[in-house]
Amino acid sequence: DQQVKQNSPSLSVQEGRISILNCDYTNSMFDYFLWYKKYPAEGPTFLISISSIKDKNEDGRFTVFLNKSAKHLSLHIVPSQPGDSAVYFCAASAAWRGTGANNLFFGTGTRLTVIP
Amino acid sequence: DSGVTQTPKHLITATGQRVTLRCSPRSGDLSVYWYQQSLDQGLQFLIQYYNGEERAKGNILERFSAQQFPDLHSELNLSSLELGDSALYFCASSAGTRHTGELFFGEGSRLTVL
Repeated sequence: DQQVKQNSPSLSVQEGRISILNCDYTNSMFDYFLWYKKYPAEGPTFLISISSIKDKNEDGRFTVFLNKSAKHLSLHIVPSQPGDSAVYFCAASAAWRGTGANNLFFGTGTRLTVIP
Repeated sequence: DSGVTQTPKHLITATGQRVTLRCSPRSGDLSVYWYQQSLDQGLQFLIQYYNGEERAKGNILERFSAQQFPDLHSELNLSSLELGDSALYFCASSAGTRHTGELFFGEGSRLTVL
């Protein structure tokens, strides 16, 4: 059962425009949500996260929005740059506090292509 | 460079064989995680170790096993390999003290079973 879903396998955007990547989840116990970026032949790298007690977190060109009632989050990249072309994974964390456990559930990824 | 080292980077083997994938976590990280990424799939959580002890288990097959050694490196053992085991296997590490979900991933080991 896929607890984190990314329904768009791919997205193409013109350079300078906004990229919006979407993610849905089913488990209301998730307390952190993250976006990872993956280039070919590399491991995923952490991009930005948001706690479940917030609805927005911004870091430079990247903003993540969380809508808990809809169990939906999105990543906005503005302006988009060709170097942003990569696969973006949404992930959700159900941490067991005090145990050191930190289990991440990943979506299937969205391949973003930013066209120069 | 995430600081997480995985070996080998590529491995080709035959069905029925056994392989061992190795992971060295970032310096100071106590938690090691193993993930499997099959074609067109997301990263599937297999297992987590924290300071030598198994802490969480995901969709790991009985033919697979893992361990974390006293020096904190980890090995994932895959046995009786099947064609469907062909995938990218990622190791990740975290300090295990901040519960934010941020993990640091290695570059992965690509396993091809023929």
